[in-house]
Amino acid sequence: EPEVTQTPSHQVTQMGQEVILRCVPISNHLYFYWYRQILGQKVEFLVSFYNNEISEKSEIFDDQFSVERPDGSNFTLKIRSTKLEDSAMYFCASSEARTDYTFGSGTRLTVV
Amino acid sequence: AQKVTQAQTEISVVEKEDVTLDCVYETRDTTYYLFWYKQPPSGELVFLIRRNSFDEQNEISGRYSWNFQKSTSSFNFTITASQVVDSAVYFCALSEEFNYGQNFVFGPGTRLSVLP
Repeated sequence: EPEVTQTPSHQVTQMGQEVILRCVPISNHLYFYWYRQILGQKVEFLVSFYNNEISEKSEIFDDQFSVERPDGSNFTLKIRSTKLEDSAMYFCASSEARTDYTFGSGTRLTVV
Repeated sequence: AQKVTQAQTEISVVEKEDVTLDCVYETRDTTYYLFWYKQPPSGELVFLIRRNSFDEQNEISGRYSWNFQKSTSSFNFTITASQVVDSAVYFCALSEEFNYGQNFVFGPGTRLSVLP
């Protein structure tokens, strides 16, 4: 069963530092996504990416965030200057069509 | 706009009891998909089921069963003979075919505690 792989599983970073979360989507998938879940809350959409550009983003996805597909296999989420409130579980997902999602197991980001 | 409601915030049952988790959704699309995910304490999202809007057949998988009713916009999930390992947060989610962008919306989740 193909899967979406996320690394690292847990990252601790100091406030103000840049952090990059990595994802390897399923190889034949065309759509890529990042979602965020603050502890104890629901999973929220951040951004979708198709054809090497952002197709949609939520109001959460401000200038501190960026996404990239640097080499045709990885899909990264960068947070430029982390804040305490960025502490959350970040899920990557990919899909072949717009409805057939596969989620990764998540990266737990802790900002101290 | 699409929306997913899970009215039960927390449920506690004793092992071997049956439990039903409710999910009500709103959508204007005629083509959509409904999902259930399990989130154990370790935090990952475990896929349980996907249902498309044209298939209202109920489904059973072991101790799990799902009841999809378009007339009431509900997609309820029943665990039969619950076990302690079923303790987790369960999310219902909706995906619309033609709502570009935020086309995958999660409900707020139901925390299920199964007591021994």
